[in-house]
This record gives sequence, structure tokens and C-alpha cells, in this order.
Amino acid sequence: GAVVSQHPSRVICKSGTSVKIECRSLDFQATTMFWYRQFPKKSLMLMATSNEGSKATYEQGVEKDKFLINHASLTLSTLTVTSAHPEDSSFYICSAIRTVGNEQFFGPGTRLTVL
Amino acid sequence: AQSVTQLDSQVPVFEEAPVELRCNYSSSVSVYLFWYVQYPNQGLQLLLKYLSGSTLVESINGFEAEFNKSQTSFHLRKPSVHISDTAEYFCAVSLSGGYQKVTFGIGTKLQVIP
Repeated sequence: GAVVSQHPSRVICKSGTSVKIECRSLDFQATTMFWYRQFPKKSLMLMATSNEGSKATYEQGVEKDKFLINHASLTLSTLTVTSAHPEDSSFYICSAIRTVGNEQFFGPGTRLTVL
Repeated sequence: AQSVTQLDSQVPVFEEAPVELRCNYSSSVSVYLFWYVQYPNQGLQLLLKYLSGSTLVESINGFEAEFNKSQTSFHLRKPSVHISDTAEYFCAVSLSGGYQKVTFGIGTKLQVIP
């Protein structure tokens, strides 16, 4: 099946630093990717929709200046958490839409811990 | 906007017993329905989906779900669970007609007891 990777799988950073998370579709092109955040014992919360070659669409309540999304190619989207704080600690998951079959494939997630 | 309700946050069940994980949705238009599974320390995997056609859909590992439009439900069932089925299960919904963003339920943790 289609594969989506995320890098890094885990990251620990100091408060105030920025962290970049990559999401790649390994064997298909994805014009649309999604970024989710998963809180402990909670469901996935959609943060933003990333479209190749255009600006991301953010969900209500998500700070676009804090969570920068870049979808520079048909196989790569990046999420940069700027000036991270402990409350940004979470599990971030991306997904990519494969046009053929119109199916969504999820990455394995990135565990961010901000000290 | 559509929404998903998973009433059970945790479901403990003995190995080889049957299980049902409940899911109800709310939408004023037609929808697609999904069940995803998340094993410990792993990402989400699609278990099964209903897009159209037969209301009973099955997965390759013995799970099945039935779309019931009148009851707005999409419950997940398995007649005999295994230890390896221990995971978090998420019901999800999207609007039908091309790809739409997906709304997830809060998840149900299935704990299979030996």
C-alpha cells in the first residue's frame, strides 16, 4: 500500500526554539496533505490543509504564524512549530491524499516534547 | 458540519469473545464513513470504509461494520478477538463526493484480555 513517512519520529527541544517536521509521500504524489495534532486520550484534531503550490488553509483556532506549513512539492509538506513552548508538546500526524482511489494515508506521527 | 460520537472510551473483552465498538454520526448530507486503527506507538491505519453500495463492509482481519442510515450508525464488530487486536479504534466521517476533510471521533481503546 501507499506509504507516508514523517521525520523525525521523536524530537525534544528547548522552549523558544523552532522545530521542523517533514511529511513525505514515498510512492505517490499528493497535491493535498493534512496536518493533525493528537492530544493524550483525545482524537485527532485537524490543524490545517496543505496544498501543493499554495498557502495552507488553517482550521479555526490554529495560529498560522506559529505553525508554518510549506508544501513545496507533490511529495513533501513541512510543519514548523515556531518558538515552541511546553504546551505545544503533542503528537503531530500528517496524512496525504492519493488522487488515484481518493484515499487518505497517514504518517506514523512525530512526538514533540518541549522542555 | 458533520460529527462523530464514540460512546465507549474503553472496551475490555476476553480473548476469543465477540466485540462491538459503537459509532454514531451526525450529518445533514450524505457521508463516507471510516474506521481507523492505531496500534501502540504507531500511526493510523485504515481498517475499513463505507463509500457506497453494500452497507456491510469487511476488513481483511475479520472486522466488519454496517452502515445504518436510519440509525446514523457505523458500529464495528468482530466475532472473536485476538490479543493482537488490542489498539485504539477511531471512527471517522467525511462528506461524500470527492475527497473531503475527515472528522474523527475520540477513539475507543480495545483491551483484549488473555
